[in-house]
Amino acid sequence: QKEVEQDPGPLSVPEGAIVSLNCTYSNSAFQYFMWYRQYSRKGPELLMYTYSSGNKEDGRFTAQVDKSSKYISLFIRDSQPSDSATYLCAMSFLGNQGGKLIFGQGTELSVKP
Amino acid sequence: GAVVSQHPSWVICKSGTSVKIECRSLDFQATTMFWYRQFPKQSLMLMATSNEGSKATYEQGVEKDKFLINHASLTLSTLTVTSAHPEDSSFYICSAAALLDSYNEQFFGPGTRLTVL
Repeated sequence: QKEVEQDPGPLSVPEGAIVSLNCTYSNSAFQYFMWYRQYSRKGPELLMYTYSSGNKEDGRFTAQVDKSSKYISLFIRDSQPSDSATYLCAMSFLGNQGGKLIFGQGTELSVKP
Repeated sequence: GAVVSQHPSWVICKSGTSVKIECRSLDFQATTMFWYRQFPKQSLMLMATSNEGSKATYEQGVEKDKFLINHASLTLSTLTVTSAHPEDSSFYICSAAALLDSYNEQFFGPGTRLTVL
């Protein structure tokens, strides 16, 4: 079993739709949860990170963490064609693990005009 | 914002040769740098963690003699793929960590696409 599971998609939605991206994880020691966006042949860029259960909002993006269910989500409101990319969830531990990140497989998103 | 560069962005080499990839943090000093490998439509897999002035820590299954990492300064780390073979063809991405709010945020480079013929 992978430590982090993410549906690879691809996911295709019309412009303006609400997008829901999800990851599950098996290791309850994960404390930090991140979402990255990666355009084709580019490095990932950090969208949001959280370290507690609950919601965090930033513009059109909302990150949700449910530690009891080991489940995290990213919601994108009013999706735009420019949101078309691969979205990767990532997780890390506190303490000695430092910044070591465990990534999900990534979900390929396409927003159609 | 924090910028990380990689050079080259794309390299083609013959089987059996060695290739060096550079990773630089341009506007901050990175205590730690990470090297990842990503195959098409796959996730990023951590290869090694590199701290300035010390030996890199390799993940299980990564050959340290094949993937040589040097972290000579707080702004530069290099990955050398020795005796490259076609199966080493991949997208190599580095990241540089800066300590923010007790969490090491990683800033990623744009990646280097390696093709071994």
